[in-house]
Amino acid sequence: EDKVVQSPLSLVVHEGDTVTLNCSYEVTNFRSLLWYKQEKKAPTFLFMLTSSGIEKKSGRLSSILDKKELSSILNITATQTGDSAIYLCAVEGTGGFKTIFGAGTRLFVKA
Amino acid sequence: GAVVSQHPSRVICKSGTSVKIECRSLDFQATTMFWYRQFPKQSLMLMATSNEGSKATYEQGVEKDKFLINHASLTLSTLTVTSAHPEDSSFYICSARALTPDRDTQYFGPGTRLTVL
Repeated sequence: EDKVVQSPLSLVVHEGDTVTLNCSYEVTNFRSLLWYKQEKKAPTFLFMLTSSGIEKKSGRLSSILDKKELSSILNITATQTGDSAIYLCAVEGTGGFKTIFGAGTRLFVKA
Repeated sequence: GAVVSQHPSRVICKSGTSVKIECRSLDFQATTMFWYRQFPKQSLMLMATSNEGSKATYEQGVEKDKFLINHASLTLSTLTVTSAHPEDSSFYICSARALTPDRDTQYFGPGTRLTVL
């Protein structure tokens, strides 16, 4: 059965902390893994990962995929209150062009 | 963990027909369900927010007469794409909000791939 599991489900940190969010998956014919940030409405796209071991960075956010371990991490350094959101991991499989979402990690950054 | 199902998982239909997609929360009551449309490659677009027993709230640019949403019970919401056209072909995802005294979480369904010929 295809599935995506994220951990932790929720996290509370202080401004300036570094956080690591985890995503593990089982999917038929993996194509890509995507990270989204959801604040109010629709999740906004952060990263798409297709190749193992290649880190993608955007400002204080970075992510890397490990196809051997079937997992990915999303790092946020020097967290700010504006980083408070739900971070969603989704995996695309080629079989049926399906995208499976994890339950998300709710991050709260205290000032 | 909480489970949200969608049915059907894939549907192919002719242009002009209507298609109904069901979204069910299997082990919790969802007062709010969300319908999204995923565009190729990346982004998710929120189409509407559905609250049990009341009319759905549609996002700007989403035609409510074309995308009919019904949330008849705490475990079921339906999206009907009326008079579907090829440009409606997409991946439709629902999510259900589980609200408990100590937690507010959104669970996503597996999605429905709609192809309009």
